[in-house]
Amino acid sequence: EPEVTQTPSHQVTQMGQEVILRCVPISNHLYFYWYRQILGQKVEFLVSFYNNEISEKSEIFDDQFSVERPDGSNFTLKIRSTKLEDSAMYFCASRPGQGIGEQFFGPGTRLTVL
Amino acid sequence: SQQGEEDPQALSIQEGENATMNCSYKTSINNLQWYRQNSGRGLVHLILIRSNEREKHSGRLRVTLDTSKKSSSLLITASRAADTASYFCATVRNSGNTPLVFGKGTRLSVIA
Repeated sequence: EPEVTQTPSHQVTQMGQEVILRCVPISNHLYFYWYRQILGQKVEFLVSFYNNEISEKSEIFDDQFSVERPDGSNFTLKIRSTKLEDSAMYFCASRPGQGIGEQFFGPGTRLTVL
Repeated sequence: SQQGEEDPQALSIQEGENATMNCSYKTSINNLQWYRQNSGRGLVHLILIRSNEREKHSGRLRVTLDTSKKSSSLLITASRAADTASYFCATVRNSGNTPLVFGKGTRLSVIA
């Protein structure tokens, strides 16, 4: 069964460093999302992406964040200069197409900023 | 902003018992979805209920939706130890490419 994959599973970085979190959505899906979950808190939306552009972003998704779909399969989230409060689980999700429906989540990347 | 808020925050039951989790939200929605998360893992979609539906079943899961009260409930019948996980409701504002808005979740522990 197709699934969303994410790499790495755990990333440790120093404050101020850039990180890139990678996701491979399910191949025929058209809509892509990043969410994050700070330990013990709820899952929060960061950004949605469709047709090679951002369709919606939350207040969390400031200028330090960017997303890219560089090669038609990968979907990346870049944090330019990490802060301690960026420590969280980051989930990628995708869904097939128009209309309502479930989102398919990857297993997440745990980002630890020291 | 619309938010799903679940209660209880934590629920501990014996295997075989039923578990009921509730979710409330603030604004109009197109649909409401329930997801499950095992500790430290990704989210798995369980069931979706549209705003014009009142009840939906899937196996041992039963979801109700009351749009007048802006609330939903998830019932898991005949619970098993393997049902131990966190359960989140997530609302969707409209039928387009809108994100899921998650509640805080209910941590369910099923004791064998």
